[in-house]
Amino acid sequence: GAGVSQSPSNKVTEKGKDVELRCDPISGHTALYWYRQSLGQGLEFLIYFQGNSAPDKSGLPSDRFSAERTGGSVSTLTIQRTQQEDSAVYLCASNPLTGNEQFFGPGTRLTVL
Amino acid sequence: SQQGEEDPQALSIQEGENATMNCSYKTSINNLQWYRQNSGRGLVHLILIRSNEREKHSGRLRVTLDTSKKSSSLLITASRAADTASYFCATDEVGAQKLVFGQGTRLTINP
Repeated sequence: GAGVSQSPSNKVTEKGKDVELRCDPISGHTALYWYRQSLGQGLEFLIYFQGNSAPDKSGLPSDRFSAERTGGSVSTLTIQRTQQEDSAVYLCASNPLTGNEQFFGPGTRLTVL
Repeated sequence: SQQGEEDPQALSIQEGENATMNCSYKTSINNLQWYRQNSGRGLVHLILIRSNEREKHSGRLRVTLDTSKKSSSLLITASRAADTASYFCATDEVGAQKLVFGQGTRLTINP
């Protein structure tokens, strides 16, 4: 079956512009996670969705970041008024049950000029 | 602060040798997982060890968990050039609903 997909794979934008990153989780997976990874660093948790529960937004670094998950499936991470420090790889993961292995997408590499 | 801290940050060995990476954490966990990442993109799950387990094997991988020391190790035996990647430990904390990843160990296997 299809794995987690993300689009676009690469995004170059100018400082101050808004960007939207998309994640399609594995069908049937109720949990969806967004992470950010700066060059050579570990994964920084951003936000977590589980079923119809309120998302855990505790990792979002500022109010310029937001995410939604429509119909319990596709998720969009939006970064408003991008800054150069937002440049990173944004990874999405899903799993069918909290605590079990997470299945990662290939990531979106965001470059803010 | 990061829950999982890997050691060493970078490791370079000859093909055929064994590679050992360590992970330490701070709080109580349900399980600890190891992931591999090639070329800075998506991570691939390698192995999961639960808090009541002490050792687990999967092919050339051996993972140990010492909950009294809050540490885990990942051993890759008979390393191959294709094992070159970054390896991350991730902890599933008790009471939390998300994994916490460490900074990773960059492993290089020299042919």
